Amino acid sequence: EPEVTQTPSHQVTQMGQEVILRCVPISNHLYFYWYRQILGQKVEFLVSFYNNEISEKSEIFDDQFSVERPDGSNFTLKIRSTKLEDSAMYFCASDYPGGNQPQHFGDGTRLSIL
Amino acid sequence: AQSVAQPEDQVNVAEGNPLTVKCTYSVSGNPYLFWYVQYPNRGLQFLLKYITGDNLVKGSYGFEAEFNKSQTSFHLKKPSALVSDSALYFCALPPPNDSWGKLQFGAGTQVVVTP
Repeated sequence: EPEVTQTPSHQVTQMGQEVILRCVPISNHLYFYWYRQILGQKVEFLVSFYNNEISEKSEIFDDQFSVERPDGSNFTLKIRSTKLEDSAMYFCASDYPGGNQPQHFGDGTRLSIL
Repeated sequence: AQSVAQPEDQVNVAEGNPLTVKCTYSVSGNPYLFWYVQYPNRGLQFLLKYITGDNLVKGSYGFEAEFNKSQTSFHLKKPSALVSDSALYFCALPPPNDSWGKLQFGAGTQVVVTP
């Protein structure tokens, strides 16, 4: 079964540094998402992306965040100047609108800000 | 605004006993509901969904869920729990009247199955 893959599995970064999290969604999916899960808390929606633009974003997704689909396969989340509170698991997901398939998630990137 | 709630932080059950994980929702319009499971250091894996039709939905790994419109619930069930079912379970709502799109998750319920 096709999978969403995320790299790296764990990223350790100094506060204030930029970080890029990478995802390869399922190839025929059209909608892409980023979610965040702070340790011990619920999974929170960050942003959805369709047709090379952001379709929706949450209040968490402020100016320090950006997303990009630089080529036909990768989908990236950039955090420009990381803060301690950005430490979390970041999940990428994808789905096909109107289809009967559920949203598929990657295994996540654990981001640790020091 | 729609919402989804999982009233139990943790459910403890002995192996072989029935397992129930509770989920309640509040939506205007037709609800679509999902259950996902998260094993340690893994992403969320889809278990099952309710779109329309039968109120009893069967999913992966022997799980099923019962949609109850009058009680606005969508409880996850398994007749006989396994130790390997120990994981974090999330109930989720897509946007109103859509079966896809950004998901709104409940707080999660930790299931602990003891041998």
